[in-house]
Amino acid sequence: GQQLNQSPQSMFIQEGEDVSMNCTSSSIFNTWLWYKQDPGEGPVLLIALYKAGELTSNGRLTAQFGITRKDSFLNISASIPSDVGIYFCAGRSIQGAQKLVFGQGTRLTINP
Amino acid sequence: DTEVTQTPKHLVMGMTNKKSLKCEQHMGHRAMYWYKQKAKKPPELMFVYSYEKLSINESVPSRFSPECPNSSLLNLHLHALQPEDSALYLCASSQIMSGGEGAYEQYFGPGTRLTVT
Repeated sequence: GQQLNQSPQSMFIQEGEDVSMNCTSSSIFNTWLWYKQDPGEGPVLLIALYKAGELTSNGRLTAQFGITRKDSFLNISASIPSDVGIYFCAGRSIQGAQKLVFGQGTRLTINP
Repeated sequence: DTEVTQTPKHLVMGMTNKKSLKCEQHMGHRAMYWYKQKAKKPPELMFVYSYEKLSINESVPSRFSPECPNSSLLNLHLHALQPEDSALYLCASSQIMSGGEGAYEQYFGPGTRLTVT
């Protein structure tokens, strides 16, 4: 089946640093979604992308839909302690109908 | 309102018990989903309902039985579960897309933490 390669798997940073993570796919997607999940909670949608090349911001978060339609990245600027959690990318292909394909997640840890 | 609610928050059940998980959304979404999530893994799709009809079953064992009583509610009936079924069960909802372009955000509930003893 389709798979997304999400990297890095984990990040250990200092508070105030910028963060960058990305997802790549072997097939073309027409939707990219980025979620954040806190322990014991459901994923929360951060940013949704629908057009190749689209760059969208949500506060300190910025995400882009790659031109090739096979990748996306998420940047977090000036990290703060509440940014700690697991970030998942998810994509939907035209063939996928109602199904999302998830990346394996990036676990973010912040040292104060 | 982008809220999906799930009850109960936690559930402990024996392998011979019958229990049900409940999910509700009031966003007017006509697609609803059940996911299973193990620790440190991404959500894994189990079932999809479109217009209250089961459209996708990802080869889930019959001890899991979904039900969609109306466009706002989704249940997951559990019977004779195994310890390996212990996980976080997530419900989600979205608009229905026929394919191609368009908004397709899936909104997740907080999940039910299930422990099978």
